[in-house]
Amino acid sequence: QVQLVQSGAEVKKPGASVKVSCRASGYSFNVYYIQWVRQAPGQGLEWMGRIFPKSGATLYAQKFQGRVTMTRDTSISTAYMELTSLTSDDTAVYYCARENWYFDVWGRGTLVTVSS
Amino acid sequence: EIVLTQSPGTLSLSPGERATLSCRASQSISNNYLAWYQQRPGQAPRVLIYGASSRATGIPDRFSGSGSGTDFTLTISRLEPEDFAVYYCQQYGGSLFTFGPGTKVDIK
Repeated sequence: QVQLVQSGAEVKKPGASVKVSCRASGYSFNVYYIQWVRQAPGQGLEWMGRIFPKSGATLYAQKFQGRVTMTRDTSISTAYMELTSLTSDDTAVYYCARENWYFDVWGRGTLVTVSS
Repeated sequence: EIVLTQSPGTLSLSPGERATLSCRASQSISNNYLAWYQQRPGQAPRVLIYGASSRATGIPDRFSGSGSGTDFTLTISRLEPEDFAVYYCQQYGGSLFTFGPGTKVDIK
């Protein structure tokens, strides 16, 4: 079945970077956008950006411009989201989702905790 | 950027009752690119409605969506115990995506 499997939880210190992976299976990875959305504890959903695996083209939310990089490895149907210069405000669950203009398949999320 | 506002913030209802959730956009959403998601505690969101009124695969028919332009509604005809959750609307426009702040439906 169609699924997105994300990497495990991370604990990072302020100022560090984190790279979360999202492995797709059950469909043609190249032809659907992969989106990244985060959710801080007790808060709502925040769109971060997307990547088109076939071309590698990216689009980032303005808030994260300069701090986020989305990449992919089509040979293993995996997308990555790297966030740099982490602060405590980046503590959140990070989700990847397949986009069909709406987000029809979601990963289970990766908890990233930023703490000194 | 289109800003989505959801109301009410919290809806307290009993099982079997009807729930009506509102999502209002700061400007018209083209092509009805409006979706609704349900998120239960500790779970990822799941899509319920896309294109303002089309039910996603496997979604029970007690969920329905309506609206166009700037005003959209999600209706749950008879609340089941598993429907008590947070609901988000989301729009796609001009290559940007935004979510509403959510409506929590809790048990009265």
